[in-house]
Amino acid sequence: DAGVIQSPRHEVTEMGQEVTLRCKPISGHDYLFWYRQTMMRGLELLIYFNNNVPIDDSGMPEDRFSAKMPNASFSTLKIQPSEPRDSAVYFCASSFLEAAVETQYFGPGTRLLVL
Amino acid sequence: QKEVEQDPGPLSVPEGAIVSLNCTYSNSAFQYFMWYRQYSRKGPELLMYTYSSGNKEDGRFTAQVDKSSKYISLFIRDSQPSDSATYLCAMTFTGTASKLTFGTGTRLQVTL
Repeated sequence: DAGVIQSPRHEVTEMGQEVTLRCKPISGHDYLFWYRQTMMRGLELLIYFNNNVPIDDSGMPEDRFSAKMPNASFSTLKIQPSEPRDSAVYFCASSFLEAAVETQYFGPGTRLLVL
Repeated sequence: QKEVEQDPGPLSVPEGAIVSLNCTYSNSAFQYFMWYRQYSRKGPELLMYTYSSGNKEDGRFTAQVDKSSKYISLFIRDSQPSDSATYLCAMTFTGTASKLTFGTGTRLQVTL
C-alpha cells in the first residue's frame, strides 16, 4: 500500500481565498483524522471520521473550516475564507481496530501558507 | 499552562552520544504514553508506546514513564545522524488515537 496520500503537498494562497486539502486513507482503514501542526500549538486534532461519518469535530477552530468524507477512500478539509493564522501543516492520518494508536499512520502533510 | 510540556530544543549532540528527551504533563489520568519521530517534511511515525509506569526498550531506544512525577523520557543510545528528527511525545487516557494529546516536539540534531 502507498500509505496515506495527501494533496497538494504545498499550497500558497491569499487571504480570503478558499483552500481545499485532500486525503486518501490507507485501504481498509475505517478511521480518518485531520490534524493541524504549528510551532506554537504543536499537533492538534481537528476532526475524525469513522466509516465516513464525522464523530468529533470539536477541534475545528471555527465555521470557516469544514471537512467531508464522501466515501471510504477520500476526504477533504476546506477553509473558506482563509486567513493568515491558518498557515500551518495539515496532516491526515488513518487507522483501524477502534482507532488503536499503534494502527494509526500519518500522511506527509500539506504545508499551507496564507498571505 | 499546556497539558503536555516539551522543550523545543534544538538539541545538538555528537554521533554516539546518549540522548535524553523529556516531557512533563499535568493530567494524572493519562495512562498511555507515546513517542513519535518526525523527519523534516514528513508525518509523525510511532516510535515507542508504553502503558502506565515503567520502562520499555526497543533496540537503541528506551521509553520511561514516571507517573508519580508526571514525567516521561525517551533515551537514545549510540545516537546516529539518521536519528536527527523532531521527537513528539503524546499521551491519552484510552489508548485510542482519537484522544491523543501531543507535546510540541523537540528537534534533535546528531552531528558527525
